Amino acid sequence: TAGITQAPTSQILAAGRSMTLRCTQDMRHNAMYWYRQDLGLGLRLIHYSNTAGTTGKGEVPDGYSVSRANTDDFPLTLASAVPSQTSVYFCASSPRRHGDTQYFGPGTRLTVL
Amino acid sequence: EDQVTQSPEALRLQEGESSSLNCSYTVSGLRGLFWYRQDPGKGPEFLFTLYSAGEEKEKERLKATLTKKESFLHITAPKPEDSATYLCAVQAMVRGGQNFVFGPGTRLSVLP
Repeated sequence: TAGITQAPTSQILAAGRSMTLRCTQDMRHNAMYWYRQDLGLGLRLIHYSNTAGTTGKGEVPDGYSVSRANTDDFPLTLASAVPSQTSVYFCASSPRRHGDTQYFGPGTRLTVL
Repeated sequence: EDQVTQSPEALRLQEGESSSLNCSYTVSGLRGLFWYRQDPGKGPEFLFTLYSAGEEKEKERLKATLTKKESFLHITAPKPEDSATYLCAVQAMVRGGQNFVFGPGTRLSVLP
């Protein structure tokens, strides 16, 4: 069972460039999430989607956008990357529409120079 | 403001030496408290969900408990393969949305 896949595994990006991090789940979960994980700060919620066609802002949404065109995919876009967006990004999904236990992908390590 | 703290920051145990990890939280309307295990370079792996004070859950050498202000993850007779970072998270009720708040984690090392 694949679960959640994320791509790319890692990326080095020049400041000012745009980038889309991809996330796909094959569990038919309703809710999906994007987090960033920084040393000493723990995981912080960027955006979430309770169900296809809806999205919401988390704790740190500035500089990021998301879309949820279907159940399986939840891409995260950085329109104009800045060095403070250097982080490890995790996508997660949850069976229930309003969240509950989350299942995480393997992460994308992004470095913005 | 919803907040989660974990202690200790790091813990080193000998194999077989039982101990407990603490997760303290302040949240407006707790919907659930979650424990995850994270190995280096990987995504968090779900362990437990607790919903109300007094609830307990067990899995192999791990037992999670919940009170109104904190949760404990008890590790009984740990083995080296239990070495990992253990994350605590809460789901809070917020108007018009949802909020998951994670603690910084406790880094556990179990020495053979």
